[in-house]
Amino acid sequence: GAVVSQHPSRVICKSGTSVKIECRSLDFQATTMFWYRQFPKQSLMLMATSNEGSKATYEQGVEKDKFLINHASLTLSTLTVTSAHPEDSSFYICSATSGQARYDTFGSGTRLTVV
Amino acid sequence: QKEVEQDPGPLSVPEGAIVSLNCTYSNSAFQYFMWYRQYSRKGPELLMYTYSSGNKEDGRFTAQVDKSSKYISLFIRDSQPSDSATYLCAMSAGGSYIPTFGRGTSLIVHP
Repeated sequence: GAVVSQHPSRVICKSGTSVKIECRSLDFQATTMFWYRQFPKQSLMLMATSNEGSKATYEQGVEKDKFLINHASLTLSTLTVTSAHPEDSSFYICSATSGQARYDTFGSGTRLTVV
Repeated sequence: QKEVEQDPGPLSVPEGAIVSLNCTYSNSAFQYFMWYRQYSRKGPELLMYTYSSGNKEDGRFTAQVDKSSKYISLFIRDSQPSDSATYLCAMSAGGSYIPTFGRGTSLIVHP
């Protein structure tokens, strides 16, 4: 089955620094990747949709200059949280699809803690 | 009112019990209904996927959709401690639409 690898699984950073999270499709070409954010006991909130080779589409209320998304290849998308603040601490999850379906495979998530 | 409502629980049951997890929704355009299982500090894993109304069974899991009531259910038979996780419902208006997720129900199956 389709496998999506997300790295790192956990990261702690100082306030004001930037953190990069990688999402890789291991056995298929992901034309589209999605980035979600999940707070404790809350649902997944879509942050942005990225298509390979084009600019990401951000959901309303998500700062594109703060959450930089790059989808340079069919197997890799990155999310960079710039100038991180404690309120950015959350669980970030990516998912990827090779076709039209939007409910596909999720990565294992990244727990970001900003201190 | 949120588009998808799901009781966060926790729901605690003894091993072997039949578990019923539910979601209600308000958007009548939803046609695709999914259930995900999410273990602590992990990404969601797709369990069941159904289209429109009806039932779908896969091993110990049965998904039911009642579009007239805007109500979906996931039943787990012979529940096991390894079923302890958060179960998220999700739904969308089409297969190519990004799903809307419920907040998840925490299930605890104790030996």
